[in-house]
Amino acid sequence: SSELTQDPAVSVALGQTVTITCQGDSLRSYYASWYQQKPGQAPVLVIYGKSNRPSGIPDRFSGSTSGNTASLTITGAQAEDEADYYCNSRDSSGNPVVFGGGTKLTVL
Amino acid sequence: QVQLQQWGAGLLKPSETLSLTCAVYGGSFSGYYWSWIRQSPGKGLEWIGEINHSGSSNYNPSLKSRVTMSVDTSKNQFSLKLNSVTAADPAVYYCARGGVVVLPEAIYYYMDVWGRGTPVTVSS
Repeated sequence: SSELTQDPAVSVALGQTVTITCQGDSLRSYYASWYQQKPGQAPVLVIYGKSNRPSGIPDRFSGSTSGNTASLTITGAQAEDEADYYCNSRDSSGNPVVFGGGTKLTVL
Repeated sequence: QVQLQQWGAGLLKPSETLSLTCAVYGGSFSGYYWSWIRQSPGKGLEWIGEINHSGSSNYNPSLKSRVTMSVDTSKNQFSLKLNSVTAADPAVYYCARGGVVVLPEAIYYYMDVWGRGTPVTVSS
């Protein structure tokens, strides 16, 4: 089926490491990309491909994939990382492009 | 630096047609997929569809019957029309640039440039 599954909410203590996961069959063929969205703003691409960061994205953001699961890791989370995070990939069955339901990250 | 500027009517009545346009500034129009994504209040991102510079399009099956996308390469613009809007269609609508890289082991897709979003309300 054309869908990506994310945990609805995750929390992390300031300065600690957090991993947000995304599961789906499409991830066996397509790398996930990850987007950060803060309230009232458009999403921002933070990770794409194996673990590529667009210009301006801090190196505390990294990505990985294994089987049908993609992961976004923030090493040393900062207060400004508090946001919603969405995974996304193409899919060869059903919907050509799919998003995960999003994970709300709280930095404590 | 590539920028997307989007515009369109933000208040519609039920059964009317939503019409939005997105202009691409500062970059190539070819070689990318140009997408529309929406976000209903308090909800996640929903991909609506995409079109490339030659006019080849793909749509979300759940919206396909009501969606039409088009391009105007002379102006570096692409557009979305969503027919017969209902109370289920209010959302912030975003345009975005999508890229695809094909590797031997996998393919990756990303949307690296986004418009600021257009809020759309449906009310009689």
